[in-house]
Amino acid sequence: AQSVTQLGSHVSVSEGALVLLRCNYSSSVPPYLFWYVQYPNQGLQLLLKYTTGATLVKGINGFEAEFKKSETSFHLTKPSAHMSDAAEYFCAGTHTGFQKLVFGTGTRLLVSP
Amino acid sequence: KAGVTQTPRYLIKTRGQQVTLSCSPISGHRSVSWYQQTPGQGLQFLFEYFSETQRNKGNFPGRFSGRQFSNSRSEMNVSTLELGDSALYLCASSPRGELREAFFGQGTRLTVV
Repeated sequence: AQSVTQLGSHVSVSEGALVLLRCNYSSSVPPYLFWYVQYPNQGLQLLLKYTTGATLVKGINGFEAEFKKSETSFHLTKPSAHMSDAAEYFCAGTHTGFQKLVFGTGTRLLVSP
Repeated sequence: KAGVTQTPRYLIKTRGQQVTLSCSPISGHRSVSWYQQTPGQGLQFLFEYFSETQRNKGNFPGRFSGRQFSNSRSEMNVSTLELGDSALYLCASSPRGELREAFFGQGTRLTVV
């Protein structure tokens, strides 16, 4: 069965600092992996996705993630945090024929001036 | 290109009533899936439709049902509402049968009193 684990329900960084949000997955078949961002009272916005091919994936707003099969990880990073990055971030996974997304529990990113 | 549209954005219903939520996917997208988001349970999969056929269903009681029309628009219905049904209901659309990318709407916030 597929599962997604996000380590840390809250992450706090200072503006300009590196952002690192952790995601590990469990899947018996090659996964498709996604990061979404959610602002208060909003839906989910797709930041980036990994399906096949290049393991380093670049997304919107300066975010990127690297698929590491050996570590079963798909961590999200951004070199320099902005105040506008404060939001909740969800890692999600699926695979061929699964027809649904399995979400992690979310990580709330707090950015201080 | 218009995004995923969910109506209404907010709903207040009384216990025992029923409710219908609507989702219009991105033009050309044929797969629509529904998720329930609550603080306690996080994001949980409800069901997925492709070309008017339900292909996958989550672990929810039979009070939760859905359908998809020939134009790919989808509705979900919840009958005999309970307080615990209060949640943000999110709809996602995907261009093809496989979930290589899923785009979410703004959600419908349902409050049951």
